[in-house]
Amino acid sequence: SQTIHQWPATLVQPVGSPLSLECTVEGTSNPNLYWYRQAAGRGLQLLFYSVGIGQISSEVPQNLSASRPQDRQFILSSKKLLLSDSGFYLCAWSVPPLYEQYFGPGTRLTVT
Amino acid sequence: GDSVTQMEGPVTLSEEACLTINCTYTATGYPSLFWYVQYPGEGLQLLLKATKADDKGSNKGFEATYRKETTSFHLEKGSVQVSDSAVYFCALSQYNQGGKLIFGQGTELSVKP
Repeated sequence: SQTIHQWPATLVQPVGSPLSLECTVEGTSNPNLYWYRQAAGRGLQLLFYSVGIGQISSEVPQNLSASRPQDRQFILSSKKLLLSDSGFYLCAWSVPPLYEQYFGPGTRLTVT
Repeated sequence: GDSVTQMEGPVTLSEEACLTINCTYTATGYPSLFWYVQYPGEGLQLLLKATKADDKGSNKGFEATYRKETTSFHLEKGSVQVSDSAVYFCALSQYNQGGKLIFGQGTELSVKP
């Protein structure tokens, strides 16, 4: 069966520090991968998605970037965190043509 | 563009009460529709789905029917439990948009014993 992992689970970082969040999927090949952010108030915002290695689409221009160095690995990064980057970051995967997405447990990021 | 609108929360119910959470959508073509549930501090879990008009998705006592004529996908449960307390998200995806999900704003449900 498929599983999705995210780490770390929680992170407290000062403003201006770098960020690296990792997501890996097991039990499937060539998935579509997604990064979402959920700010306080519950709304989900799609940040990036990827349909293959090295293929990244950005949905919202901002202080973050994403990379997909391996088929089942998706990384969210920042060179310098802002206070507004705080939130709950969720990774998800799907396999075409069935487009339901399956979410990881999330990383709660607090920028101080 | 495509969008999803959910009823405002929070919704507070007593145990064994009936639940309806309204969801309507705006989309071109024939999107797939989903309900996700998020328990406190956790990621989202797929609750149920429907991929074409008149399909009924069901899981764990929850149901939703894809109504194209009213562009709706309301979530229902006949008898809620305290363990159903969570935030519920309605979402749609389009085949030709890489499977990206468009979410509603979420509806918080609180069930009291």
